[in-house]
Amino acid sequence: DVKVTQSSRYLVKRTGEKVFLECVQDMDHENMFWYRQDPGLGLRLIYFSYDVKMKEKGDIPEGYSVSREKKERFSLILESASTNQTSMYLCASSPPGGDNEKLFFGSGTQLSVL
Amino acid sequence: AQKITQTQPGMFVQEKEAVTLDCTYDTSDPSYGLFWYKQPSSGEMIFLIYQGSYDQQNATEGRYSLNFQKARKSANLVISASQLGDSAMYFCAMTSDKLIFGTGTRLQVFP
Repeated sequence: DVKVTQSSRYLVKRTGEKVFLECVQDMDHENMFWYRQDPGLGLRLIYFSYDVKMKEKGDIPEGYSVSREKKERFSLILESASTNQTSMYLCASSPPGGDNEKLFFGSGTQLSVL
Repeated sequence: AQKITQTQPGMFVQEKEAVTLDCTYDTSDPSYGLFWYKQPSSGEMIFLIYQGSYDQQNATEGRYSLNFQKARKSANLVISASQLGDSAMYFCAMTSDKLIFGTGTRLQVFP
């Protein structure tokens, strides 16, 4: 069964800490994505990657960076966590292709920044 | 710029009734795809249905159908014969260069 795994389901961090959110997929997908989900705002794209060592900014990249050293792993980094980054973070992957490629999602990481 | 709009924050429907969840979109790209995802309280995102911009017929997947009206730029989800397990958040999404999501509709099915 295909799988996107996010390393933590719940995470509590302090303001100013450096935070790593890890995502691993076992489907050999080229494309990987990080979204954050907030009530009333839906899912908003933070960063995405179409290949190893490649990254593109999404709609809300400020305060975040990403790393994709290996095809199966896409990490989201909060350089200095702030309280407004408290959110649900969802990782997703998809194979390369046209507009009909659906995303496969991980189960999410609920991050609380205190 | 792409945009997805879901105007219904919440919907109620009685079990076994049909329900329509609204979605409108905006894009200048002639080629795009439209998706619906379901998110139960467990948090996982479940793919439901896909419609391509060039598809002539409305997509259907079991009890789900997508009412695609291209001229009106709408892609409403129709769930027939609602079940209690359909209670969840539902997100409309569109892709042309990247996948963007609407704000979601919370559907509650009551007995």
